[in-house]
Amino acid sequence: AQSVTQPDIHITVSEGASLELRCNYSYGATPYLFWYVQSPGQGLQLLLKYFSGDTLVQGIKGFEAEFKRSQSSFNLRKPSVHWSDAAEYFCAVVTFYNQGGKLIFGQGTELSVKP
Amino acid sequence: ETGVTQTPRHLVMGMTNKKSLKCEQHLGHNAMYWYKQSAKKPLELMFVYNFKEQTENNSVPSRFSPECPNSSHLFLHLHTLQPEDSALYLCASSQDRNSPLHFGNGTRLTVT
Repeated sequence: AQSVTQPDIHITVSEGASLELRCNYSYGATPYLFWYVQSPGQGLQLLLKYFSGDTLVQGIKGFEAEFKRSQSSFNLRKPSVHWSDAAEYFCAVVTFYNQGGKLIFGQGTELSVKP
Repeated sequence: ETGVTQTPRHLVMGMTNKKSLKCEQHLGHNAMYWYKQSAKKPLELMFVYNFKEQTENNSVPSRFSPECPNSSHLFLHLHTLQPEDSALYLCASSQDRNSPLHFGNGTRLTVT
């Protein structure tokens, strides 16, 4: 069955430090991949997506993610974290079936930022 | 303006009450979704509507009843809920089933 795994439930980084959030998926074909962010009390906002082409994709707020087929991974990165990046981050994959795509989410990684 | 508006933002209801959650999207999308977000669990897809037709029901108990009168509006009717139904209920829309989802800010539901 298709699945998405985010191994880290909670990560703390210092402001200005680099960040990498891990995401692994299980799916037989090339999926559509997404990263969403959820601030407290808010819905989910799309950070970036990968459909095809260049495996390094740029998103909003200075985030990027790299699709690595050999590792079934789609890790999210940011070179310098800001305090406002503290939020929960969700990786998601669209799998395909007769009626169209089905979006499957990982459990999320909560990011805390130390001053 | 998120493009997807959910009301109310917070709702407290007893187990014998009947209430409805409302979602409205201003994006011209054709697909709408209800998700349940509970603490420490992945988002759970509840229902999917595509061009006003329900295309997916993920074994959701009948105490949750969706309604999609048109492609811009989606309701979730609630009755005789259980305390474990307390959660954040998120509405989303997308252009089609393979496009990114746009989420509302959710309704925080507490069942007492």
